[in-house]
Amino acid sequence: GAGVSQSPSNKVTEKGKDVELRCDPISGHTALYWYRQSLGQGLEFLIYFQGNSAPDKSGLPSDRFSAERTGGSVSTLTIQRTQQEDSAVYLCASSPRRSTDTQYFGPGTRLTVL
Amino acid sequence: QQQVKQSPQSLIVQKGGISIINCAYENTAFDYFPWYQQFPGKGPALLIAIRPDVSEKKEGRFTISFNKSAKQFSLHIMDSQPGDSATYFCAASVAGPMEYGNKLVFGAGTILRVKS
Repeated sequence: GAGVSQSPSNKVTEKGKDVELRCDPISGHTALYWYRQSLGQGLEFLIYFQGNSAPDKSGLPSDRFSAERTGGSVSTLTIQRTQQEDSAVYLCASSPRRSTDTQYFGPGTRLTVL
Repeated sequence: QQQVKQSPQSLIVQKGGISIINCAYENTAFDYFPWYQQFPGKGPALLIAIRPDVSEKKEGRFTISFNKSAKQFSLHIMDSQPGDSATYFCAASVAGPMEYGNKLVFGAGTILRVKS
């Protein structure tokens, strides 16, 4: 079946602009996670959704970052007033249930802020 | 407390050799330790995972060794193949309240190159 998909695959933007990154999880997966992977770094947790609720937003680095999920499916990560340090690969993962360990990752969106 | 330290940063192994990647953690509440494999341009994919109630888990050529007292775990790739060339990440998570999901804390990654 189809895996996790993300769009766009690449995004180049100018400093100060807003960007929206999209994640389509595996159908039926109720848990959704966003991570950020900076160059040469491991993945850093950003936010967790269970259904449309986000009970854990502890990884969002600043109030310029926000995310929502609608219909228990698609999620959008929004970064306002982008900064150069926001440049990274943003990865989305989904999992069948909140108690399930295995997270299935999408290919990521590479964000470059000029 | 949340950090997972991974070594080495990069590794070159001859085809047929054994690749060993090590991770150490501080948070004794961690109870799930997966390894992910990532190819360029792709998202990480779960390779193998272990819980602290066992000291070793083997799946094909991949083995996790877990030392609870030392707070260390490692990935061994036997008979390494060029197709194993990828970035490997260790991770850990805590079984907290159900509503908080299963967020993973990742190591910095190891770039493995298997020479043919």
